[in-house]
Amino acid sequence: DAKTTQPPSMDCAEGRAANLPCNHSTISGNEYVYWYRQIHSQGPQYIIHGLKNNETNEMASLIITEDRKSSTLILPHATLRDTAVYYCIGLSSGYALNFGKGTSLLVTP
Amino acid sequence: GAVVSQHPSRVICKSGTSVKIECRSLDFQATTMFWYRQFPKKSLMLMATSNEGSKATYEQGVEKDKFLINHASLTLSTLTVTSAHPEDSSFYICSAKRQLPEAFFGQGTRLTVV
Repeated sequence: DAKTTQPPSMDCAEGRAANLPCNHSTISGNEYVYWYRQIHSQGPQYIIHGLKNNETNEMASLIITEDRKSSTLILPHATLRDTAVYYCIGLSSGYALNFGKGTSLLVTP
Repeated sequence: GAVVSQHPSRVICKSGTSVKIECRSLDFQATTMFWYRQFPKKSLMLMATSNEGSKATYEQGVEKDKFLINHASLTLSTLTVTSAHPEDSSFYICSAKRQLPEAFFGQGTRLTVV
């Protein structure tokens, strides 16, 4: 698995965009970039994943740099319910997700 | 997204007893399920990978005789914590993969051994 590096914590004002960075400079060509989040005392929730192209779904957008060494998860209009720990994981299909420490995002009123 | 159901959500047991946790994929068949453990303020740690119809693969340091995993069908995997002790108290989470790359997680089981 690619080693990923994320800031330990971030704050974001409610209604603003939350941009969560992730460095994965050792990612290999067949490894996807996954994002999950974990709200306190719940199981992780899948957010989005991508390989090379930018991706968007109803929850978030994923921007992957052209060299694939970093990515940014964007929550376009953060709400208080988006307060959670966000995990960026590099992984080849078929293997288990290995969680790092993630970024603790606090959305404030 | 797909639904993975974990039961029970909370359990308290006496030291020395065994506890079984069930993980079900409700709307898809999962040939592979994963079991994780999470201690307070820590990240999830992979315990084992469970493949339907075969023996589970345990991560280094996880006692296979203590944490019994059974994956008898494509929709059900169970984790049994045998002879539980207070240090086994933790948040246990299962995950199920379908053919598409993403994995889905259960809501977790809070085990407290007294």
